[in-house]
Amino acid sequence: AQSVAQPEDQVNVAEGNPLTVKCTYSVSGNPYLFWYVQYPNRGLQFLLKYITGDNLVKGSYGFEAEFNKSQTSFHLKKPSALVSDSALYFCAVRDKKGGGGNKLTFGTGTQLKVEL
Amino acid sequence: KAGVTQTPRYLIKTRGQQVTLSCSPISGHRSVSWYQQTPGQGLQFLFEYFSETQRNKGNFPGRFSGRQFSNSRSEMNVSTLELGDSALYLCASSSRDAAGDSPLHFGNGTRLTVT
Repeated sequence: AQSVAQPEDQVNVAEGNPLTVKCTYSVSGNPYLFWYVQYPNRGLQFLLKYITGDNLVKGSYGFEAEFNKSQTSFHLKKPSALVSDSALYFCAVRDKKGGGGNKLTFGTGTQLKVEL
Repeated sequence: KAGVTQTPRYLIKTRGQQVTLSCSPISGHRSVSWYQQTPGQGLQFLFEYFSETQRNKGNFPGRFSGRQFSNSRSEMNVSTLELGDSALYLCASSSRDAAGDSPLHFGNGTRLTVT
């Protein structure tokens, strides 16, 4: 079975400071990893994905994520946070060995709050 | 390109009733997935359809069902509603058939309240 852990319910950061939202995963094979963001009363919006290759993945709105196979982590980062980045962030995983299909397992979400 | 469209946005139903939610995927997308989002359980996978066939199913009771039409539009149905079915129901479409490496594109959801 595949699973995702987001250990922090909330992360607070000052605008202009770097931010990190943590994610660890568990799959039996190699993972497909995704980050999504959700604004109030909206659906999830795709930020970035790791499929294979370079461990540093760049995505939308200046976000990036670092894949670490030995630590089974996929932390989301941004060098300089904006107040508009305040939202709920979800990490998701899919096991490549899972066969066909798009079933994703999501973490519990991390609320990011960026303050002036 | 238009995004994923879910209708209606809000629904209020009474226990015991049934409800049908609709989802129109992005044009050209043949995979449609449904997720339930609640504060207590988070995001949980309901089922996925591809070319009118259910390809994956989550751990939900048989009261939850779905289907996909030849134009890729999908509906999900919940019968005999319970209070615990109150949730945001999210539909997502994807462009790839079986690789699973394409991101899901989500609609804004249908907020179901059961009283």
